[in-house]
Amino acid sequence: SQTIHQWPATLVQPVGSPLSLECTVEGTSNPNLYWYRQAAGRGLQLLFYSVGIGQISSEVPQNLSASRPQDRQFILSSKKLLLSDSGFYLCAWSASGGLEQYFGPGTRLTVT
Amino acid sequence: AQSVTQLDSQVPVFEEAPVELRCNYSSSVSVYLFWYVQYPNQGLQLLLKYLSGSTLVKGINGFEAEFNKSQTSFHLRKPSVHISDTAEYFCAVSVNDYKLSFGAGTTVTVRA
Repeated sequence: SQTIHQWPATLVQPVGSPLSLECTVEGTSNPNLYWYRQAAGRGLQLLFYSVGIGQISSEVPQNLSASRPQDRQFILSSKKLLLSDSGFYLCAWSASGGLEQYFGPGTRLTVT
Repeated sequence: AQSVTQLDSQVPVFEEAPVELRCNYSSSVSVYLFWYVQYPNQGLQLLLKYLSGSTLVKGINGFEAEFNKSQTSFHLRKPSVHISDTAEYFCAVSVNDYKLSFGAGTTVTVRA
């Protein structure tokens, strides 16, 4: 069966510091991968998605970036965090050509 | 572009009572519809999906939803809720472009 991992689970970082969140999927090949952000009391905002290694589509202009160095690895990064980057970050995957997405456990980021 | 409106932000309900969570969507093309559940500080879990066929869809944990094309709705129902159904519920729509658009969510609080 497929599983999706995210780490770290929680993170507290000062403003201006760098960020790296990692997501990996097991048990499938060539998945579509997604990064979402969920702000307190709000729905999910799609940040990036990827249909293959090195292929990244950005949905919202911001100071975040994403990379996919391996087939089942998706990384969310920032060079300098802002207070507004605080939130719950969720990674998801779907099968290539599939519609339903499956979510990881999330990372709670607090920027202080 | 498609969009999703969840008509109730909070729904309090007593244990063993029925519950209905309302979801309306807008799209100029055919859609695929999903309901997800999120327990506190966790990722999203797929409850059910409508891709094609029967408009009445049954999911996990006793939930069901009905797709109504003329009313552009996909309401979620459960005939008898449990304390463990306390969570946030998200309706989502896709038009087969790898992306899901989510509603703002409905918080269900089940009381004894």
